[in-house]
Amino acid sequence: GESVGLHLPTLSVQEGDNSIINCAYSNSASDYFIWYKQESGKGPQFIIDIRSNMDKRQGQRVTVLLNKTVKHLSLQIAATQPGDSAVYFCAEIVNAGNMLTFGGGTRLMVKP
Amino acid sequence: DAGVIQSPRHEVTEMGQEVTLRCKPISGHNSLFWYRQTMMRGLELLIYFNNNVPIDDSGMPEDRFSAKMPNASFSTLKIQPSEPRDSAVYFCASRTGTVPGTEAFFGQGTRLTVV
Repeated sequence: GESVGLHLPTLSVQEGDNSIINCAYSNSASDYFIWYKQESGKGPQFIIDIRSNMDKRQGQRVTVLLNKTVKHLSLQIAATQPGDSAVYFCAEIVNAGNMLTFGGGTRLMVKP
Repeated sequence: DAGVIQSPRHEVTEMGQEVTLRCKPISGHNSLFWYRQTMMRGLELLIYFNNNVPIDDSGMPEDRFSAKMPNASFSTLKIQPSEPRDSAVYFCASRTGTVPGTEAFFGQGTRLTVV
C-alpha cells in the first residue's frame, strides 16, 4: 500500500510580506533553542538562536520570540524573499546538555 | 574550515549488504551527532558523541546500526545488514561541546537507498 508521509505544515506568503513560523515545545527544562533552515538537497543551516533567559532576539531580517509560559517559539522573517523558501525547523537543548532535538518542520513557500 | 564533511553523498545498495557512512566534524568541535531524516519520521537523533565517547544511543533503531568515533576527526555509522526501510538521508553534525549558546553545524548528508 501507499505509505503516508510526514505532513509538513506549509506557509505560503507573497514576496515582500512578513512570515511567521511557529513551534511548540513540550519540555519545560529546555533552555536553548535554535531555528534551522533546510533547502532541498542540503543539510539544516543555522539561522538564529535564543537562550531561555531571553524572550526576543533579532538578527538580519529575522526575529525569534520565546514564550516560556506557553512553551512557544516563533520565527519572524521580514520582507520574505524567494530565497527564503525552505523547510524551517526549531530545535531545543535541555538543561544545558548536549542533545539537540528537532521539531517536525514547516515548509515556507514564497510566491513571486 | 570546510565544514562538516560526509561521504558518500549518495549510496545505493542491495538489501543485506553492509553500508558505512563517514563523517569528518569541524576541527575543534568535540560533540558529534548522527541524524536520520525521512518523510515518515522527520529528523531523528540516532546517537551523539562527546569527546569521542558515545553519550546517548537511544535513538539507534536496532542492533543492525552501530556508530564509532575512533578519534576527534572521524566517525562512522554502519548498517549491517541493510534493509529497504533504512533508506533515508543521514546527517552528521558537530558542535562545540556543551557550551550553551553554540549551534550544531550539519554536513550535506548521505542519501541512502536500499533496494
